[in-house]
Amino acid sequence: QQQVKQSPQSLIVQKGGISIINCAYENTAFDYFPWYQQFPGKGPALLIAIRPDVSEKKEGRFTISFNKSAKQFSLHIMDSQPGDSATYFCGPDMRFGAGTRLTVKP
Amino acid sequence: EPEVTQTPSHQVTQMGQEVILRCVPISNHLYFYWYRQILGQKVEFLVSFYNNEISEKSEIFDDQFSVERPDGSNFTLKIRSTKLEDSAMYFCAREDKGAEGYTFGSGTRLTVV
Repeated sequence: QQQVKQSPQSLIVQKGGISIINCAYENTAFDYFPWYQQFPGKGPALLIAIRPDVSEKKEGRFTISFNKSAKQFSLHIMDSQPGDSATYFCGPDMRFGAGTRLTVKP
Repeated sequence: EPEVTQTPSHQVTQMGQEVILRCVPISNHLYFYWYRQILGQKVEFLVSFYNNEISEKSEIFDDQFSVERPDGSNFTLKIRSTKLEDSAMYFCAREDKGAEGYTFGSGTRLTVV
């Protein structure tokens, strides 16, 4: 089974800081590399995704960086806000990482 | 695109009983997925369903599980004889054409007692 490894497991950031979450994968045949955001009691929601022919994608405060040679992609949250506190999952091709619990302190 | 709706939102069942979880209504989509999430843990892939057939399933999806699309819109997950360890949130998801990820339903919380 394809492996998707996500790190860190948890992350605490001060308001206004940068949150960085990483995902490493094995399969090279994924069509896209998404990140999902999940609040307690809710289903995962697609946050941002990137295709393998692009190295970076930015949507507002959220940026994906994609390193094809290293088989890694990361989520950067700029100017992190308390409302960003949630669990984040990378999820290429139906497989999800273990999740990162982000806490943004006011 | 309308959201993915799941029913019931919460179901409590006795161990050994059969449960049917529903994902409704969905139309004009070919790809559907079921996932489960044990409290506080990762989202685990169960099965993908394409054009009324299972296209892929995980090792979790054993003979106790089955999926159907009985009336062309509803998409169901059946657990034949529930076990305590089946207690989890169950999410259905669809893959939208042109999207780069999945849209998840609000989930069904299954509690086996």
